[in-house]
Parts: sequence; structure tokens; C-alpha cells
Amino acid sequence: EADIYQTPRYLVIGTGKKITLECSQTMGHDKMYWYQQDPGMELHLIHYSYGVNSTEKGDLSSESTVSRIRTEHFPLTLESARPSHTSQYLCASSEYILRDFVPPSGELFFGEGSRLTVL
Amino acid sequence: KNQVEQSPQSLIILEGKNCTLQCNYTVSPFSNLRWYKQDTGRGPVSLTIMTFSENTKSNGRYTATLDADTKQSSLHITASQLSDSASYICVVSDRGSTLGRLYFGRGTQLTVWP
Repeated sequence: EADIYQTPRYLVIGTGKKITLECSQTMGHDKMYWYQQDPGMELHLIHYSYGVNSTEKGDLSSESTVSRIRTEHFPLTLESARPSHTSQYLCASSEYILRDFVPPSGELFFGEGSRLTVL
Repeated sequence: KNQVEQSPQSLIILEGKNCTLQCNYTVSPFSNLRWYKQDTGRGPVSLTIMTFSENTKSNGRYTATLDADTKQSSLHITASQLSDSASYICVVSDRGSTLGRLYFGRGTQLTVWP
């Protein structure tokens, strides 16, 4: 079972509020990701990190920001939430392999997700 | 454009029956293909990962096949159980960039009825 945790699982807030979605993993993984998922649609990468003090924007334009001050922690922040931000946000982590980011040791582990609703 | 297409979009079967889900991709150069199971309201969980040299891999009642020549994969579920009701997502990774990008399909929503 994956040791990656997201809080809160569910959040309902009003427009204009600042929110932070927390993500922590205890596997010592260098790479961490944030994905956005809407019903019936594919996951879209919004942010990723190769390690401490490394953050990059993903494929999907997002008004959110991330930070990576500690290996195990990768929070996502929305400074001013809007109804268009309503979605499921999934955090993931994997080992970092210099030449190949994927198997056999680049398994991707997901958190349980944070369901955000902005009214 | 790199894409991952899954079919069918949704599927309903009776408990105990077998089913096969399909994944076609255009991702190139190919690195590996993964199948994930995502229960409603939960995060995806890995079922199998296959590289170019592997054409079949099993995980309990789940068996994935890969034909890298035709760029097709299938996930076969044997003797389905109610707990198999979930979305099954095909994910393909490329080897052409330092990121090792992941391309996600939209998933097949499987419902198993008693």
C-alpha cells in the first residue's frame, strides 16, 4: 500500500478564498506530481517536482502554485479560488531515475485525492 | 500528437463473467504501458506495468497484453467480482524526453452486477 497522503479529502469553499491542498509521502521519493481530474476525463499534469527546491509547471495551465521545501511534502496553493477550480486534485510520487523515469523502479503512487468545490 | 484511446467507454457485466478492456496508443517513442484501477472517489492504483519487450503480464485475475507493433494493449479480467467495479485507466510513457511523459486515457468505467 502506498504511503502518500492528501488532506483535506473534501473541501467546499467560497469564491476568492485562499486554499492549500496538502500532500505528504513517506517513501523518500524524489519526484512528486499534482494532477487534475474531471469526471470522465483523463488526468492532466499541473505541477511536478524533481526534488527539494525544484518545481515545474505541467501540461495544463493552472493558477495554482506549489512548493517543495522538504522531500516528503508537496503542497498546492490557490490564492483566490474560483468556481472553475472545482475538480478532483490527485497527488502522486515516484522514484527518480536519471535515464528512465519509469519501471522497474519508477512506479507511480497516488494519494486518495482532494475533491475541491468552489461556490 | 501522442494519444491514448480506451474502449469501451463503459461496460456492464454480471458477476463471475470475464471481460476485456482495450487501449490503443500513438505515443512514440514508446517506453512502457501501465494499467491502473481507480475506485470512485479514490486515487488510481497500479495493476500492471509492461515494457517494450513484455507482451503479457498478470496480477491475480487481471492479465494485460501488449502488442508494441500495433500499439495496442488489453486488460482481461477473469471471473469478475463486485469489487472490480471501477474505472480502469491506461497510461503510456514515452522515452523521447527527459521528463518521461505520461499520457493518460480517459478510462473504461466497469460496473459488475450481482
